[in-house]
Amino acid sequence: SQQGEEDPQALSIQEGENATMNCSYKTSINNLQWYRQNSGRGLVHLILIRSNEREKHSGRLRVTLDTSKKSSSLLITASRAADTASYFCAPSPGGYQKVTFGTGTKLQVIP
Amino acid sequence: EPEVTQTPSHQVTQMGQEVILRCVPISNHLYFYWYRQILGQKVEFLVSFYNNEISEKSEIFDDQFSVERPDGSNFTLKIRSTKLEDSAMYFCASTLAGGYGTGELFFGEGSRLTVL
Repeated sequence: SQQGEEDPQALSIQEGENATMNCSYKTSINNLQWYRQNSGRGLVHLILIRSNEREKHSGRLRVTLDTSKKSSSLLITASRAADTASYFCAPSPGGYQKVTFGTGTKLQVIP
Repeated sequence: EPEVTQTPSHQVTQMGQEVILRCVPISNHLYFYWYRQILGQKVEFLVSFYNNEISEKSEIFDDQFSVERPDGSNFTLKIRSTKLEDSAMYFCASTLAGGYGTGELFFGEGSRLTVL
């Protein structure tokens, strides 16, 4: 399997602002998943977008996928201090095959 | 909401000792995984497990590591003779996914292993 590469590595914004994180990957996928990890905690699945989808929303999250460019973005609108965490994209071949994680984007939301 | 549970949350052990980390995956899930995260580093895949056998393992998962599903609910990771470099957070994950599933992973909160 492959891992995604997140960009930027770190992002610091004020509460209420939007945060955008990008992900690039190399080979074809069945879907792409985004996860969040609060410091010292387990990863939490946020949202999944299938390869035949271009955009997906879940609450304050908006994910886009461009399979021609092999890239995805995660937008968090109206950020809150509780959104402070590391965010990882996980390109997935689907099924039971493992997903692997890159170094993530470390988001800090300043109250 | 169903969740993956892991015990212990923190274990301190002496180098050379055996350690068993336990996980209870979500009850109807079929595929199980162990990942580890050394402090300040990325989450690394160790092993996947399905139908009572290892599906895939990484280079990290050498002969010192083993996994087992001793009953219908527990999934364990054993490290036979711990080394200092085994100090890390170990995460268990599970997924329902079958051949055409999405592979969405559900993670436990982790077991922190400290080897002295």
